[in-house]
Amino acid sequence: GESVGLHLPTLSVQEGDNSIINCAYSNSASDYFIWYKQESGKGPQFIIDIRSNMDKRQGQRVTVLLNKTVKHLSLQIAATQPGDSAVYFCAENPQDYSGGGADGLTFGKGTHLIIQP
Amino acid sequence: EAQVTQNPRYLITVTGKKLTVTCSQNMNHEYMSWYRQDPGLGLRQIYYSMNVEVTDKGDVPEGYKVSRKEKRNFPLILESPSPNQTSLYFCASSMGQAGEKLFFGSGTQLSVL
Repeated sequence: GESVGLHLPTLSVQEGDNSIINCAYSNSASDYFIWYKQESGKGPQFIIDIRSNMDKRQGQRVTVLLNKTVKHLSLQIAATQPGDSAVYFCAENPQDYSGGGADGLTFGKGTHLIIQP
Repeated sequence: EAQVTQNPRYLITVTGKKLTVTCSQNMNHEYMSWYRQDPGLGLRQIYYSMNVEVTDKGDVPEGYKVSRKEKRNFPLILESPSPNQTSLYFCASSMGQAGEKLFFGSGTQLSVL
């Protein structure tokens, strides 16, 4: 199937700054997107999700932006903290959940967010 | 606490020695899936299950088997492990069908010598 990709394998930011992690997807039929955080030695943890009928969704210190025109997804983390250091990756579902989908989510390869003191 | 539990966390074995990695979820989820994670390749789906007694191949099923006899359990079986199956494995589950928010286990690091 088509793949989900990320622009940068590593992103270094100063503590307290805002972080923006980008993801480009290629499947125009995808209508559901998720961001996961994976800390060293742990499994991926859900951060935030968004459906294609929205272009922005906010959580606690995180915002996901979806631009369907250019097939681009971004995760913004406000006031980055040391605990935000992790690998972040996006995932897409090429099919609507109500219609089912044999393969489920397709994952990007991840961006390693490094926090500089 | 809602969780997906995998065991063992670490496993070192030798080529050809059958092994099973267990996975259990306590959220009454219908959908369960196994992934392997390799450097530079990201998460790749091995097998998935839409419900009890319903399993299907993912992107990289060769060399693996699964079973889903109960809703909560989804073991991953390697009948004859080979070194190219050395990887970090994750079990995941979701409430709805494929493509919904997945909850992941903590992972099993497998080394096949």
